[in-house]
Amino acid sequence: SQQGEEDPQALSIQEGENATMNCSYKTSINNLQWYRQNSGRGLVHLILIRSNEREKHSGRLRVTLDTSKKSSSLLITASRAADTASYFCATAASFTQGGSEKLVFGKGTKLTVNP
Amino acid sequence: DAGITQSPRYKITETGRQVTLMCHQTWSHSYMFWYRQDLGHGLRLIYYSAAADITDKGEVPDGYVVSRSKTENFPLTLESATRSQTSVYFCASSELGGRNSPLHFGNGTRLTVT
Repeated sequence: SQQGEEDPQALSIQEGENATMNCSYKTSINNLQWYRQNSGRGLVHLILIRSNEREKHSGRLRVTLDTSKKSSSLLITASRAADTASYFCATAASFTQGGSEKLVFGKGTKLTVNP
Repeated sequence: DAGITQSPRYKITETGRQVTLMCHQTWSHSYMFWYRQDLGHGLRLIYYSAAADITDKGEVPDGYVVSRSKTENFPLTLESATRSQTSVYFCASSELGGRNSPLHFGNGTRLTVT
């Protein structure tokens, strides 16, 4: 399975601090995506990073990808209480492996930002 | 409003009953997906569809049936519900599939099988 595994499973920080979440995966990928899920809601897409990219930014979010280590990280800077949510990484297989239309999700990191 | 809608939001059914979860999207996205979310397992893919009348199995398809006669609808049927199918079910759509574009999720159906 190429399922991503997030680390840590849970993270608790104070408002204003940075939050870093990591994702490891097992097989070659076409892209890696990060999603956010607020309690009781569906997942919301944050960032898509392709296998030939190393870093991507979106507002307070920074995503890095290291294909040699099969890992990615999501950094949230200057966190806010509203950032409290679960964060998931998801991978799409490389085209040669077939089925690359599918996204395989990890189990998520639960982030709590305390005011 | 444009988006992806799942119904019902909550459902309680008995073991052995057939139940259908509905999913409707207004974007005309080609791809649609059904995932289930359980504690300790994250999200697992049940079925997906690349276009109308084209469906394929995901990681956990047993006990489920899907159809896609129209691009905008992708119902998921539990033929004979079991307690192990108690879960939160999410439908998602994507313009180009996971390889090239993000997924857009509905808010889920919480299903309890008693």
